[in-house]
Amino acid sequence: EAGVAQSPRYKIIEKRQSVAFWCNPISGHATLYWYQQILGQGPKLLIQFQNNGVVDDSQLPKDRFSAERLKGVDSTLKIQPAKLEDSAVYLCASSPPQGRKLFFGSGTQLSVL
Amino acid sequence: AQSVTQPDIHITVSEGASLELRCNYSYGATPYLFWYVQSPGQGLQLLLKYFSGDTLVQGIKGFEAEFKRSQSSFNLRKPSVHWSDAAEYFCAVAQTGANNLFFGTGTRLTVIP
Repeated sequence: EAGVAQSPRYKIIEKRQSVAFWCNPISGHATLYWYQQILGQGPKLLIQFQNNGVVDDSQLPKDRFSAERLKGVDSTLKIQPAKLEDSAVYLCASSPPQGRKLFFGSGTQLSVL
Repeated sequence: AQSVTQPDIHITVSEGASLELRCNYSYGATPYLFWYVQSPGQGLQLLLKYFSGDTLVQGIKGFEAEFKRSQSSFNLRKPSVHWSDAAEYFCAVAQTGANNLFFGTGTRLTVIP
């Protein structure tokens, strides 16, 4: 079974630039999550999708972050414009409809200079 | 609001020694509890989870954890640590009926020969 796929693996940008991350969840998983993991901290939920609808985006900085899951499968997380404090690993996870087990991708490591 | 505390930032153990990683949670009802492991450059892998029933749960790689309601704890244990267990360990809690996870800050495990 293929796991959660994320790209790119690494990204280096300058502050005020924009960046986008892509996630392909495990086939059949209705729920998709984006987490932000700052160095030395645990992952923090940014946004949760159920199919193509948003379940929870209370922790998403909506002035600069946006995310979409148009067809209920792949998802894109965008940051525009980026700030230094956005440097982190962005993890995508998915879970099946009936379970509470989250499957995580390897993440995208973002460095904002 | 739920929260998770992992009081040990870094633990060093000798290979073959026993291990206990501490986790305390704050939540009004019985939570769902999880332990995840993260190797460098990798996503998070689920070690074990507790939803209800037997308070001692067995996981993968020889790990186990015990839920103690009176102490609001869910400590992770392993009787004999292997060098490959060196990684970051995260405790997480989810609300009853929800899938979203709240993570602790993690404990980094170093294993010495």
